[in-house]
Amino acid sequence: DTGVSQDPRHKITKRGQNVTFRCDPISEHNRLYWYRQTLGQGPEFLTYFQNEAQLEKSRLLSDRFSAERPKGSFSTLEIQRTEQGDSAMYLCASSSRRLQRGYTDTQYFGPGTRLTVL
Amino acid sequence: DAKTTQPPSMDCAEGRAANLPCNHSTISGNEYVYWYRQIHSQGPQYIIHGLKNNETNEMASLIITEDRKSSTLILPHATLRDTAVYYCIVRVNFGNEKLTFGTGTRLTIIP
Repeated sequence: DTGVSQDPRHKITKRGQNVTFRCDPISEHNRLYWYRQTLGQGPEFLTYFQNEAQLEKSRLLSDRFSAERPKGSFSTLEIQRTEQGDSAMYLCASSSRRLQRGYTDTQYFGPGTRLTVL
Repeated sequence: DAKTTQPPSMDCAEGRAANLPCNHSTISGNEYVYWYRQIHSQGPQYIIHGLKNNETNEMASLIITEDRKSSTLILPHATLRDTAVYYCIVRVNFGNEKLTFGTGTRLTIIP
């Protein structure tokens, strides 16, 4: 399987605990994105990496959230001191800019990690 | 990125063509139209994208009006597995990398 993978698929934690999610992008993709999706809403952008550089962060990404992509391959998203409002699906996507009817940068998503904070 | 407007829900009979509309009246000349779908509890799945010409792939066809203010995604022979939320997104491919999702159209394929 050469798609985007995420681990774990489900995580249940108690309020105040720290959690870490992992994303493995498609192997040749240099761009990696994190999104969050709450029930009934479309995904919302959190942050974006090009190689190992974090180039953009949403206002949604509070100080309790940190994302890394240390060698430009896999990425981790950590949430410290979780709150019930953090309960959501966390989605990872990857892309690579290429010439296809003009320059395109199609993002391919992983299956997501569903976080439940009790 | 320009905003898009989609109907909240649609039904389509199995085996028929599903035509999903999207309005993007403020689209800029360098913005592409992307379509994704999300089957329950899964990550969004890329379907197709285009700039101004009609496009077709193994999943769907994308028809963009000449003024580019609206588009239609066509699933030619809908099956029950096409039941999903479909998102229409407009986005530049240079400098603005994120996808901005709306609430999409919930398509239900009826047996």
